[in-house]
Amino acid sequence: AQSVTQPDIHITVSEGASLELRCNYSYGATPYLFWYVQSPGQGLQLLLKYFSGDTLVQGIKGFEAEFKRSQSSFNLRKPSVHWSDAAEYFCAVGPSFSGGYNKLIFGAGTRLAVHP
Amino acid sequence: NAGVTQTPKFRVLKTGQSMTLLCAQDMNHEYMYWYRQDPGMGLRLIHYSVGEGTTAKGEVPDGYNVSRLKKQNFLLGLESAAPSQTSVYFCASTVPGQGEAFFGQGTRLTVV
Repeated sequence: AQSVTQPDIHITVSEGASLELRCNYSYGATPYLFWYVQSPGQGLQLLLKYFSGDTLVQGIKGFEAEFKRSQSSFNLRKPSVHWSDAAEYFCAVGPSFSGGYNKLIFGAGTRLAVHP
Repeated sequence: NAGVTQTPKFRVLKTGQSMTLLCAQDMNHEYMYWYRQDPGMGLRLIHYSVGEGTTAKGEVPDGYNVSRLKKQNFLLGLESAAPSQTSVYFCASTVPGQGEAFFGQGTRLTVV
């Protein structure tokens, strides 16, 4: 069965520090991968996505993620965190164009707190 | 350009009551989803639809029914609400392989 695991439920970093949020997936082939961010009381906003090609993808707000096929991972990184990055982050596996996989599945989320 | 619109935004139900949540999208997306979000559980897929007239069960379908009579609308029904269905419900739509899923703003449902 397809699944997404985010091992870290809560992470706290200091403003200006670097950040890495982990995501592992289970799927029979390379899925389409996404990171979303949710601010308190809001819906979800797409940060970045990976379909194919370059395994390092850039997103909005200075975020990037690296797809590692051998590790089934798609970790999110940011070199210097801002206080406004405090939010909940979700990794997701999405439906493929071929139609072989049609569910959009999310991990449990990682809540990020930023200390001033 | 409304995107994905959910109604209502808030609702309080008594145990045993029924209700329908409406999701409407104006982007001509094929796929639509209903999720529930609970603390520490992330977004769990309730039901989804890959096109007009088709629906399928997700991870947590029990106690819910859905219908997709029109491509732009995806309805989520609770026939007999239970306190365990207290949650925030999100609807989303996407085109497979085309990129991001678009989300509604959510419906906060409390069952007392």
